[in-house]
Amino acid sequence: GQNIDQPTEMTATEGAIVQINCTYQTSGFNGLFWYQQHAGEAPTFLSYNVLDGLEEKGRFSSFLSRSKGYSYLLLKELQMKDSASYLCAVNDYKLSFGAGTTVTVRA
Amino acid sequence: DAGVTQSPTHLIKTRGQQVTLRCSPKSGHDTVSWYQQALGQGPQFIFQYYEEEERQRGNFPDRFSGHQFPNYSSELNVNALLLGDSALYLCASSLSLGARTGELFFGEGSRLTVL
Repeated sequence: GQNIDQPTEMTATEGAIVQINCTYQTSGFNGLFWYQQHAGEAPTFLSYNVLDGLEEKGRFSSFLSRSKGYSYLLLKELQMKDSASYLCAVNDYKLSFGAGTTVTVRA
Repeated sequence: DAGVTQSPTHLIKTRGQQVTLRCSPKSGHDTVSWYQQALGQGPQFIFQYYEEEERQRGNFPDRFSGHQFPNYSSELNVNALLLGDSALYLCASSLSLGARTGELFFGEGSRLTVL
């Protein structure tokens, strides 16, 4: 089975940094995805990690440790438009999603 | 290049009825996955279709069935609707990478309300 855990909510101020953690226990593993989902919209792809280490993409970075079953998504220089739900998803021959972390950015 | 398109966008049904949701994948994609997303939850995997066959299935009852057509489009059917089936149904397409699933591209979803 799959067990993917991430915090329910996080709040931060504009310009700050927020780190969203994700831990997982799955029957198979072929990489980990992060998706962003604004309220009422479809999820959109942010990042993909299949090997250990840090992947950087502009203001967003994602880290993976396969031995620890752990990943994080780092959002830097937060903007109001970053207020959204962030979904951690493990690829075990299908994508299994966590419940999502709602990030609220305050002015 | 059209992305993933779903229809209808919103629909209302009553308990016991049946519903069919439709999905056209992104151009060049051959795999379609369906997800159910309840309010405030992450998407839950229903099933995945590749080469017109159900390749994988999540923990959903047999009331949930699907189909993939030769042009890779797909349908999700739900019979004997229950109040708990009210949710956003997301279709996602991807390019099959052997046994792995590639990056998923999501449609905007079909919002189903069961009264």
